[in-house]
Amino acid sequence: AQRVTQPEKLLSVFKGAPVELKCNYSYSGSPELFWYVQYSRQRLQLLLRHISRESIKGFTADLNKGETSFHLKKPFAQEEDSAMYYCALSGIGANSKLTFGKGITLSVRP
Amino acid sequence: DAGVTQSPTHLIKTRGQQVTLRCSPKSGHDTVSWYQQALGQGPQFIFQYYEEEERQRGNFPDRFSGHQFPNYSSELNVNALLLGDSALYLCASSKLAEGYNEQFFGPGTRLTVL
Repeated sequence: AQRVTQPEKLLSVFKGAPVELKCNYSYSGSPELFWYVQYSRQRLQLLLRHISRESIKGFTADLNKGETSFHLKKPFAQEEDSAMYYCALSGIGANSKLTFGKGITLSVRP
Repeated sequence: DAGVTQSPTHLIKTRGQQVTLRCSPKSGHDTVSWYQQALGQGPQFIFQYYEEEERQRGNFPDRFSGHQFPNYSSELNVNALLLGDSALYLCASSKLAEGYNEQFFGPGTRLTVL
């Protein structure tokens, strides 16, 4: 069975502080890992995927297969980063179903 | 391109009734997936449609059914509504030929069952 665990519900930091949003997964095989973000009153959108290895809006995430983790990091948080963040995984290949974690609210205070 | 669109935005039903939710995929996309998001939870996969057929299905009862039309739009039907069906229903579209799994989400339909 595939499972995504986001152990924290809320992370509150001051502007300029480092951010790490934790994500652990369970999957028998090689999954694709994603981070989705939902800003206030906006739809769910893809932030980044492990395959692309990109840095989006200053966020990075490294897939650690040994620890089955895909933590999202940003060295200096901005107020506009305040949002709901979901970690998700799918099987390899086009259009496999996404399995989401419960999500974490990131609040960046001025 | 308006992206993925869903209708209606909100819906209130009573227990035992039936409901139909609609989704139009992003232009150029051919695959539609449906998710249920209960309050405080992440989206949970219901099923996925491609070429008018159900390709994958999550752990949902047969009360949940769907359809995809030749223009790639899709419907989600829920029969014999229960209070526990109250949730945000999300539609996501993607393109099979892209070779990777980027799904674009709609704004959702908020269903309240009284």
